[in-house]
Formats: sequence, structure tokens, C-alpha cells
Amino acid sequence: SQQGEEDPQALSIQEGENATMNCSYKTSINNLQWYRQNSGRGLVHLILIRSNEREKHSGRLRVTLDTSKKSSSLLITASRAADTASYFCATAGGGADGLTFGKGTHLIIQP
Amino acid sequence: EAGVAQSPRYKIIEKRQSVAFWCNPISGHATLYWYQQILGQGPKLLIQFQNNGVVDDSQLPKDRFSAERLKGVDSTLKIQPAKLEDSAVYLCASSLDRGFSYEQYFGPGTRLTVT
Repeated sequence: SQQGEEDPQALSIQEGENATMNCSYKTSINNLQWYRQNSGRGLVHLILIRSNEREKHSGRLRVTLDTSKKSSSLLITASRAADTASYFCATAGGGADGLTFGKGTHLIIQP
Repeated sequence: EAGVAQSPRYKIIEKRQSVAFWCNPISGHATLYWYQQILGQGPKLLIQFQNNGVVDDSQLPKDRFSAERLKGVDSTLKIQPAKLEDSAVYLCASSLDRGFSYEQYFGPGTRLTVT
């Protein structure tokens, strides 16, 4: 079953703008990860945030985690055409090693 | 460093036929995962191996799906007989070891179409 739910399901913005995607989950987690998927490069790991962290940065990516609300957000700043892809949050924990993915947000960057 | 390899990349079969997918993980990675990704959804874990043993197969439809990793390296996932609802991308991933802290690296996937 899907653990996470991304919001929005689809997002279209102009190149150079910031993109924000949200993820909600249901059970306790050890960490939450964000992945990007496009037809050219498959599923690629972007960033991992542990349950005891509140914010993490990696290049143009900023992830926040609110365990009290069971939610996370991914911010991509200064978007580029190459950022066009589907973005998934995935949770780890609950006694299992495997990841539980959400349904994803499809991001389109308009040139 | 070579990534996770999968073959074939695409497969079209008729319902009730059998199909097998192959995965070669990153060298030295003890943990191997198979995920199923139906169009419009996120990947769903089917089975996890640690070396040549099964750690978690709770979401594997065992009446038709089977998987093995006999020598603790390559793995094969089989579907017999296939149903229309098995149409999906089958992703293989590997990690250095089991546990939350280890990053999973995904292969390009095998796109299965059942007609």
C-alpha cells in the first residue's frame, strides 16, 4: 500500500521559478527520502532527511520534515528545464528496510 | 562504478504466458530489492533479499510471482502465469547493506506489457 501522498499531483511553472511539493505519510518513520524519475535516467535518489532532523539542504533542494504533522516538503529553487520529472517521497521505518513510496508529483518546467 | 543492470528493458507477452526479469546489482551490495511500479503510481516493494536469503516478501503475490538470488549476486523475478494487471515497470534496486541508513540505487527497470 502507498504510505505517502504527494501534493499537488501535477505542477507546471516557468523556468527560474521555485517549485514546492508536499508529502504526507501515515505511520512513524526512521527517515524520509525524495526521488526523481524521468524516462532518461530512471529513479534517482535526491535527498534523505532523518526523523530527528527538521530541515536539510542540497544544492538547489531544500527539504523540511514535520513529524508531528507527518508531512514533508521539497523545494526546488531556480528551476531549470532539466528538472522536469516526477518526484516521489519515500518513507523508511516501521521495522522494514524497503521503501514505501507515494504516488508522486509530476513537475513540468516551461521554458 | 557500474550501476544496477536489468534486462530486458521491454517485454510484451500475452496473458497466461510466463516471463522472467534479470537484475545484476552494484558489486558488493548485499541487499537487493524488487519493486513494481504501475503507471501513475509510485514503486511498491515486492521482495527484499539479504545476500541469498529473503528478508521480506510480504507483498509478493506468491501464487504467480517468484524470485531467487541463489548465489547472493544476480537475481531473477518470474511471473507465471501473467495477468493483465501485471503490466508495470519492474525495478530492481540494491544497497550496500540492509537498514534505513543505506541508500538504494535503482536500475532502469523492465517495462512489461501484458496483452
